[in-house]
Amino acid sequence: GNSVTQMEGPVTLSEEAFLTINCTYTATGYPSLFWYVQYPGEGLQLLLKATKADDKGSNKGFEATYRKETTSFHLEKGSVQVSDSAVYFCALSLYNQGGKLIFGQGTELSVKP
Amino acid sequence: DAMVIQNPRYQVTQFGKPVTLSCSQTLNHNVMYWYQQKSSQAPKLLFHYYDKDFNNEADTPDNFQSRRPNTSFCFLDIRSPGLGDAAMYLCATHFEGTGAYGYTFGSGTRLTVV
Repeated sequence: GNSVTQMEGPVTLSEEAFLTINCTYTATGYPSLFWYVQYPGEGLQLLLKATKADDKGSNKGFEATYRKETTSFHLEKGSVQVSDSAVYFCALSLYNQGGKLIFGQGTELSVKP
Repeated sequence: DAMVIQNPRYQVTQFGKPVTLSCSQTLNHNVMYWYQQKSSQAPKLLFHYYDKDFNNEADTPDNFQSRRPNTSFCFLDIRSPGLGDAAMYLCATHFEGTGAYGYTFGSGTRLTVV
């Protein structure tokens, strides 16, 4: 089946530290890959996306590269801020399944001043 | 701004009392989804509409129903809410063929069952 696995949280970092949140996927076709962010009490916001192998998605200093050979889409940021504290979800979608999103379990990030 | 709006933001209902959550969109997207997200868990797809075609996930309880009277509006009806139905309910939309690009989520409705 199709699934997404993320590294478990919570992840606690100091401000300006380097962030990596691992995400791997299993898919029967060629998925599009996404990172969503959820701030406390809020809905989901698209952070970045990649639609084919070797694509790099980037937004607000976050980056992730679609690695088909390792079926991974790890999220990175060079210098985190307190305002980055949130839950991050990796997700995939397959066009032949109506485009619905399949989410990983989420990784909570807490950034301390 | 074009967007997805969910009302109410917070809903408290009594155990067993029917409740309806609403979602509206100004994006003219033809696909609308309802997700359930329990505390500290990933969103779980309940069902979606592809135009007027309703698609239920196999493990969605019968207690959950949905209506889509027109392109802009979609409702989630919980016929007899139980304590286990307390969750954040998220509506999302996209336009056919752009699923890889155009998902838009509402801010969610947090349901409390007392």
